[in-house]
Amino acid sequence: SQKIEQNSEALNIQEGKTATLTCNYTNYSPAYLQWYRQDPGRGPVFLLLIRENEKEKRKERLKVTFDTTLKQSLFHITASQPADSATYLCALDPNYGQNFVFGPGTRLSVLP
Amino acid sequence: EAGVAQSPRYKIIEKRQSVAFWCNPISGHATLYWYQQILGQGPKLLIQFQNNGVVDDSQLPKDRFSAERLKGVDSTLKIQPAKLEDSAVYLCASSLVSGKLGEQFFGPGTRLTVL
Repeated sequence: SQKIEQNSEALNIQEGKTATLTCNYTNYSPAYLQWYRQDPGRGPVFLLLIRENEKEKRKERLKVTFDTTLKQSLFHITASQPADSATYLCALDPNYGQNFVFGPGTRLSVLP
Repeated sequence: EAGVAQSPRYKIIEKRQSVAFWCNPISGHATLYWYQQILGQGPKLLIQFQNNGVVDDSQLPKDRFSAERLKGVDSTLKIQPAKLEDSAVYLCASSLVSGKLGEQFFGPGTRLTVL
């Protein structure tokens, strides 16, 4: 069956360290993958989109990798800050229709 | 630029009652989405509109859920009758362009509790 899995439910890291979040998928062949941030009581906010032929993409302190062989995307936040604490969702293109399918999310807490 | 507006923010009803949610997308955005997000899960697409036409409603439980987008702007999502498992946050999103490269902008959501 098709499945999207993200890190264990919660990830705690110390301020200043690099946070690495994982998105693994099974029985999908996505051409695109997105990452979103969601704060409590708010809707998701789009962060980055990466295509299958782009191994890596960066935006400020954010870096996303996409490995179609491992069927995995990694999302890195360097020099993490308490303000980065949120739930991070990956979403992939299931290669049918126009829309993305979301993973369950990982709740990141950056401790001061 | 104003964001996606949703109301109400919270709603508590008893099972078998009906409920309606309203969404006003960002001005000029032709594509509108409704998602259901159950606690601890990612959003699940219920329906996508392009202007006032339905593009994808494959995951909408049509026996109890309905949605419309009159005049291609505002949209309402209705549940009738509600079940306990409908307790979730209902998110509305809009995008300027449809398709996989169209960035979606989400509203704050309506938290529905069915007792």
